Amino acid sequence: GENVEQHPSTLSVQEGDSAVIKCTYSDSASNYFPWYKQELGKRPQLIIDIRSNVGEKKDQRIAVTLNKTAKHFSLHITETQPEDSAVYFCAANGGGADGLTFGKGTHLIIQP
Amino acid sequence: GAVVSQHPSWVICKSGTSVKIECRSLDFQATTMFWYRQFPKQSLMLMATSNEGSKATYEQGVEKDKFLINHASLTLSTLTVTSAHPEDSSFYICSAMVGRYNSPLHFGNGTRLTVT
Repeated sequence: GENVEQHPSTLSVQEGDSAVIKCTYSDSASNYFPWYKQELGKRPQLIIDIRSNVGEKKDQRIAVTLNKTAKHFSLHITETQPEDSAVYFCAANGGGADGLTFGKGTHLIIQP
Repeated sequence: GAVVSQHPSWVICKSGTSVKIECRSLDFQATTMFWYRQFPKQSLMLMATSNEGSKATYEQGVEKDKFLINHASLTLSTLTVTSAHPEDSSFYICSAMVGRYNSPLHFGNGTRLTVT
């Protein structure tokens, strides 16, 4: 099955700076890589996703890059704001109809 | 669009009793729903895949007789925790896929289960 590794587990950045979270996956058949943001006690919310036919996708302050050869993908948040503080999860689909396999999460802390 | 409703949002039950959690797709039909479990400060662990009209597929290590899943319609899946014990206390969250395969998962609000 798919195995997703996520780093770092905790990331603290100054407000206005950029944050980068990295994930690697093991199953070369994976073709869908979403990122979710989860605030304490709430449901994960999809913030951006990328499919294997593209290498980069951007949505305002958020971007995701995918390197299929190296089997890793990254989340980039620019101009961070206090409301960006949350736990972020990457995931990969293992190339099939199975449920997503999630990374262990990154607790992003935005320092004022 | 793509709203997933989950009930109850929290439940406290006594050890040995059973608890049913409902997951509904409100504005779309979900042939496949997924049940995840999340311990505090940990990741989402897939428990089982629920397919409408057929038996659920359980992940390794998840007891199918303890976590009963029923997906009787295209908009409803239920998870029943049978003979609950304190170690079953956790955050259970369902999700549904709009479309197939490489499509986003939309999550319910989750159910906080506490077994006393």
